[in-house]
Amino acid sequence: AQTVTQSQPEMSVQEAETVTLSCTYDTSESDYYLFWYKQPPSRQMILVIRQEAYKQQNATENRFSVNFQKAAKSFSLKISDSQLGDAAMYFCAYRSPNTGNQFYFGTGTSLTVIP
Amino acid sequence: DAGVIQSPRHEVTEMGQEVTLRCKPISGHNSLFWYRQTMMRGLELLIYFNNNVPIDDSGMPEDRFSAKMPNASFSTLKIQPSEPRDSAVYFCASRDNRGGNTIYFGEGSWLTVV
Repeated sequence: AQTVTQSQPEMSVQEAETVTLSCTYDTSESDYYLFWYKQPPSRQMILVIRQEAYKQQNATENRFSVNFQKAAKSFSLKISDSQLGDAAMYFCAYRSPNTGNQFYFGTGTSLTVIP
Repeated sequence: DAGVIQSPRHEVTEMGQEVTLRCKPISGHNSLFWYRQTMMRGLELLIYFNNNVPIDDSGMPEDRFSAKMPNASFSTLKIQPSEPRDSAVYFCASRDNRGGNTIYFGEGSWLTVV
């Protein structure tokens, strides 16, 4: 089974600064999808950004962007101009089109934003 | 559009009682997932359905857990009898298989078994 690893249990960033959350995954597949989800204290899981493995261009959504390194199996999330509302747990997830609907989640990174 | 709707949002029950969690997926979505989240184990996939049919229930912890999807717009996760170690947040999520690659989560059901 695919595994997703988030090696940073906790991170902190100063408001308005930039922070990068790391994610690596293990797979033998060439086609797959990667996601970052945000879970604020309300506990709702919110999609932040997604990346298709066949696309070389890194996905960007406003202040959120990814650094997708397919050969290294790395998928980091960069948050620019951090805001207090960005404080949350962030989960990296992997989905394979070949194993049905399985989504594999990492263990999460807790991000604190310091005013 | 309405998102995934779960009920109840919060439930506190006594050990041994039956608990039923409910989920209404996004209209038109044909895959539905039940996840459990705890501090110790993170997010665990319990079961998922495609077109109302259970595809993989290997994540269901034991026979006390059961899930049904009688139609495309409703699913239940039942725990009978409940135990304190079942305390967790239970998420329902849905996805459109016909091109959508993203799953969308409900707000979760917070279960506390005392």
